[in-house]
Amino acid sequence: NAGVTQTPKFQVLKTGQSMTLQCAQDMNHNSMYWYRQDPGMGLRLIYYSASEGTTDKGEVPNGYNVSRLNKREFSLRLESAAPSQTSVYFCASTFERFPYNSPLHFGNGTRLTVT
Amino acid sequence: AQRVTQPEKLLSVFKGAPVELKCNYSYSGSPELFWYVQYSRQRLQLLLRHISRESIKGFTADLNKGETSFHLKKPFAQEEDSAMYYCAPAGNKLVFGAGTILRVKS
Repeated sequence: NAGVTQTPKFQVLKTGQSMTLQCAQDMNHNSMYWYRQDPGMGLRLIYYSASEGTTDKGEVPNGYNVSRLNKREFSLRLESAAPSQTSVYFCASTFERFPYNSPLHFGNGTRLTVT
Repeated sequence: AQRVTQPEKLLSVFKGAPVELKCNYSYSGSPELFWYVQYSRQRLQLLLRHISRESIKGFTADLNKGETSFHLKKPFAQEEDSAMYYCAPAGNKLVFGAGTILRVKS
C-alpha cells in the first residue's frame, strides 16, 4: 500500500514549456486534490475532483488544467509554464465525497522550478 | 465559505516552553477541523482532528465555539516539534490556513 504517489519529484522547465504532474492513490479514495505550497502563502488549492469524472476549480486554477483519468489517477498539466508557477506541488486524496469529514492523505510533493 | 485563519507565520519557543498555535475559523454550522504537520522535507500528515479529542505527540486542540477557535497546544515543546503546522476545515473545498512555522530552540 503505497498511499499517494507523485511523479516526478523534481522538475526544471523553461518558460513556455509544458508538462504534466502525475498523481496516483491506491486507497480507493473518491476525492483527489492538487495544492501548491509557496513560502508565506501556505497551501493553496488549485483543482479538486470530488469523484471520478468530475473536476472543479480551487483558489488558484489559472494556468493549470487537470484530468481525473480514473478513480486512482489525477493529473495536473501546465500548458505554458511561467516563473510564477515555481512551487512545490502536492497531491492529496480522501475517501469521502461530501461533506469530506475524513482527513487528507498527501503525496511527497513535486518541486518545480520554471526559469 | 469555510475559512480558517492562522495569524502567526512563525512561532519561536525554547525547548520545554509551552506552545500554542492559533487557528480561528469563520463559518456557520458544526465545524470539522484538522491540524496537519509537515516536518522538514516530508509530506504533510494528519496530526489530529477535533472530533477524536485525542492527544498526538503531546499536542491537543480544543474547539471553542464561543471564540471560534481551534488552537493547538502542547505544554512542553521539544526540538523534534519544529515543523510547519496547518489548520484546515473539512467541507466541500478543503482550503487550508496559511500555516505556522514552529521553531523550537535548544
